Amino acid sequence: QQQVKQSPQSLIVQKGGISIINCAYENTAFDYFPWYQQFPGKGPALLIAIRPDVSEKKEGRFTISFNKSAKQFSLHIMDSQPGDSATYFCAATPSYNQGGKLIFGQGTELSVKP
Amino acid sequence: NAGVMQNPRHLVRRRGQEARLRCSPMKGHSHVYWYRQLPEEGLKFMVYLQKENIIDESGMPKERFSAEFPKEGPSILRIQQVVRGDSAAYFCASSPLPTTNEKLFFGSGTQLSVL
Repeated sequence: QQQVKQSPQSLIVQKGGISIINCAYENTAFDYFPWYQQFPGKGPALLIAIRPDVSEKKEGRFTISFNKSAKQFSLHIMDSQPGDSATYFCAATPSYNQGGKLIFGQGTELSVKP
Repeated sequence: NAGVMQNPRHLVRRRGQEARLRCSPMKGHSHVYWYRQLPEEGLKFMVYLQKENIIDESGMPKERFSAEFPKEGPSILRIQQVVRGDSAAYFCASSPLPTTNEKLFFGSGTQLSVL
C-alpha cells in the first residue's frame, strides 16, 4: 500500500511531441505528489508538484493531471525537446510524513529524438 | 548559495571494508534525508535526521548501516563491512523545515561500488 507504480519504464518521443508518464498509488492518505527530473550523474530536482485539491497543474510545458478517484496522476510534457531527455520520477507522501520522506516510483527514462 | 554537497562522488570499497559518505546541507537547512538508488530502481528513503537527532530511520537496514548529523560538520552515512549488494547511488537531500515539501533539495549523490 506504500508503493507508487510508474509506467512506462522507458519512452522515446520525437522532438515536438507529447511525453506522457503515468503513476498509480494505493494509499488514500497520500496528499502530495511531486515529479522529479534527474539527469545522468545528478541528483533529482523538483519539476512540478500537485496536491489533491486540484485536478490539474501547469507550469510552462509541464502539466500534472490528477485523478483522485482512480488514484492516478500523470506528467505531460508538451512540445518535448532533446534537452528534456532525462529520467523522471513520480513520488507521493502523506501529510503525516516528515516533508522529505517521499515514496518514489521506479522512474521513466525519456529520450527525445531530434 | 551552494547546493547540497556530497562527497566523495565515487567511492570504491572491497567487501568487508567501511564506507563513509558525507553530506553538507544547503545553508540554512537543518533537516537531512538519505536515500538509496539501486540500478534501474527509484529512490528509497533510508533515514531522516535533524542536528544531533535521528528522527526516522525506518528505511535503514538494521545492521551495518548508521547515520549521524552532528552539531558541527556534515551528516555522515556509514556502512560497515560492505557487501556487493550495497553498491548503489546514495543521495542526500536537505530542507529548511520538515513540512515544506517544495523546499527539498537533493545533492548529486555518491556512487558506491563494492568489489
